Amino acid sequence: AQSVTQPDIHITVSEGASLELRCNYSYGATPYLFWYVQSPGQGLQLLLKYFSGDTLVQGIKGFEAEFKRSQSSFNLRKPSVHWSDAAEYFCAVVITGANNLFFGTGTRLTVIP
Amino acid sequence: NAGVTQTPKFRILKIGQSMTLQCAQDMNHNYMYWYRQDPGMGLKLIYYSVGAGITDKGEVPNGYNVSRSTTEDFPLRLELAAPSQTSVYFCASSSRRSTDTQYFGPGTRLTVL
Repeated sequence: AQSVTQPDIHITVSEGASLELRCNYSYGATPYLFWYVQSPGQGLQLLLKYFSGDTLVQGIKGFEAEFKRSQSSFNLRKPSVHWSDAAEYFCAVVITGANNLFFGTGTRLTVIP
Repeated sequence: NAGVTQTPKFRILKIGQSMTLQCAQDMNHNYMYWYRQDPGMGLKLIYYSVGAGITDKGEVPNGYNVSRSTTEDFPLRLELAAPSQTSVYFCASSSRRSTDTQYFGPGTRLTVL
């Protein structure tokens, strides 16, 4: 079955530490890939997206993500986490020809001082 | 620039009642979407619209109806509320395609008792 998997439900990191959030997809072809962030009580905001080309994409707020075709992965990274990064992070895809985003179940990030 | 607005922010319904969730965008976007977010789950698409007068079902359309009479507005109608419709509802819009950045409203938290 086609799916987007975020294997980590909850991650806790210390402020200043590095971060990697995992995302795997299961589709026949490479979909369009996105990372969204949802701060508490807020709607979602786009962090970055990948369509083609350079497999390392830069986003807002110092985030980056790397597309690895061989692993069907699109992991999100940040070298140094800030307390304001505490939020829920969603990986999402658009399948070629489809009209909507398919979301993973999300990873909740807690940042400790 | 308000972006995507949703009203109300919170609502409690009794089983069998009806209500309309309002969504408006001021970015002249063609595409609009309704998602629902259940605890521990990603967002799932209820309905979407690619322009005024054109709507289509998403993954979970049962129990809902939509209309799109103008570019700006995309209301979601619940006819006979059921406890299974307790959720947070997000409206979103994108410019021309589903692969364009989707801009989300702040959400409506609905409880059906």
